[in-house]
Amino acid sequence: EVQVVESGGNLVQPGGSLRLSCVASGFIFSNNWMSWVRQAPGKGLEWVANIRRDGNEIYYVDSVKGRFTISRDNAKNSLYLQMNSLRAEDAAVYYCARVVEPSDYHYYMDVWGKGTTVTVSS
Amino acid sequence: DIQMTQSPSSLSASVGDRVTITCRASQSISTYLNWYQQKPGKAPNLLIHAASSLQSGVPSRFSGSGSGTDFTLTISSLQPEDFVSYYCQQSHSAPWTFGQGTKVEIK
Repeated sequence: EVQVVESGGNLVQPGGSLRLSCVASGFIFSNNWMSWVRQAPGKGLEWVANIRRDGNEIYYVDSVKGRFTISRDNAKNSLYLQMNSLRAEDAAVYYCARVVEPSDYHYYMDVWGKGTTVTVSS
Repeated sequence: DIQMTQSPSSLSASVGDRVTITCRASQSISTYLNWYQQKPGKAPNLLIHAASSLQSGVPSRFSGSGSGTDFTLTISSLQPEDFVSYYCQQSHSAPWTFGQGTKVEIK
């Protein structure tokens, strides 16, 4: 079965750090771009970051640039999101998603995890 | 950044109704447009990619159209399990952006 499973969400104080993980199975992880998407309580979806198959091309939403770092370990079929200097507005469910890269570059996210919850509060 | 605006934000409809949700991009995105469905407390589920390509396993009552800046998601005959939220998302350029969502409610 093709799936991704997130972990690492927790309660953290403002200014603190957290590292999220996502383990993939059922597909060749190194063949896909991967994404993190978040959803604050009662709000819509917000794309956070993308990372290329080899890890050498990365994109972030402006609100997390300089604070969050996306990375991957293809040998471990794992995706990570290092989150530093956390703010109240970073509180959300964080989803890991597989990105499909068709030959025409019409990317889309086709496999999603169940999410992991990050709470930022003192 | 490309802004995605969905309308309406919510709508009320009945089982069997035909429903259309609109998504407008702040600049042309060709057909780099995807639609997702999200049930309460669950992860999003891909419905449509590249504006009009139905994802495998998604019922044929869902369809997408449009190009450039204006896109639509149509549900031809609403079923009870369709009364949930829907999001459009552009993958034309980073940062990828979502519409604010449309909640479909039972009339």
